[in-house]
Amino acid sequence: RKEVEQDPGPFNVPEGATVAFNCTYSNSASQSFFWYRQDCRKEPKLLMSVYSSGNEDGRFTAQLNRASQYISLLIRDSKLSDSATYLCVVRRGINTGTASKLTFGTGTRLQVTL
Amino acid sequence: NAGVTQTPKFRILKIGQSMTLQCTQDMNHNYMYWYRQDPGMGLKLIYYSVGAGITDKGEVPNGYNVSRSTTEDFPLRLELAAPSQTSVYFCASSYRDSQEEYFGPGTRLTVT
Repeated sequence: RKEVEQDPGPFNVPEGATVAFNCTYSNSASQSFFWYRQDCRKEPKLLMSVYSSGNEDGRFTAQLNRASQYISLLIRDSKLSDSATYLCVVRRGINTGTASKLTFGTGTRLQVTL
Repeated sequence: NAGVTQTPKFRILKIGQSMTLQCTQDMNHNYMYWYRQDPGMGLKLIYYSVGAGITDKGEVPNGYNVSRSTTEDFPLRLELAAPSQTSVYFCASSYRDSQEEYFGPGTRLTVT
């Protein structure tokens, strides 16, 4: 089983639609959670961190369910510019003097159309 | 600030050749990372560094070497290139372990 699993999509939605992506992780020791956005042939960029209480940033809402080991991203009022691949990222543990392990999902591709 | 810069952008290598991928950051970040991204796969950590003079293996270190002589630079060395090393390589940095990682634009490497 992959450590971080996402539906690869693509999700094709019309402009203005609401779309939700899900992600599951297998390691219960995971401590930090993020959504990164990656445009075609570009580097990943942080979209938002995911907090236990859920958090919102404009049209984007992220939620975490630790009991089910499940993370979600909701995008409201989709824009053409939202078309990208969304990477679910999980950080496991923090050890003094070494870097904790950041595990990337394979990404979910979103295509927003007119 | 330029952020994280990588050179070259593209490179084609023949099997058995060697090369160094350069990575520089101007944000005074302590932590630096090298990832590779293959089609349909998540990014895999190759090597990382928590500060000048300190490096450690990630998930897929075989066939690669790194050094960190300064805070700014974290080059990745490929010795005896193999077709399995065809990939997109991203360098990243962060100020602390738990903070956001900033990525460079990537190097597309083909080994034939």
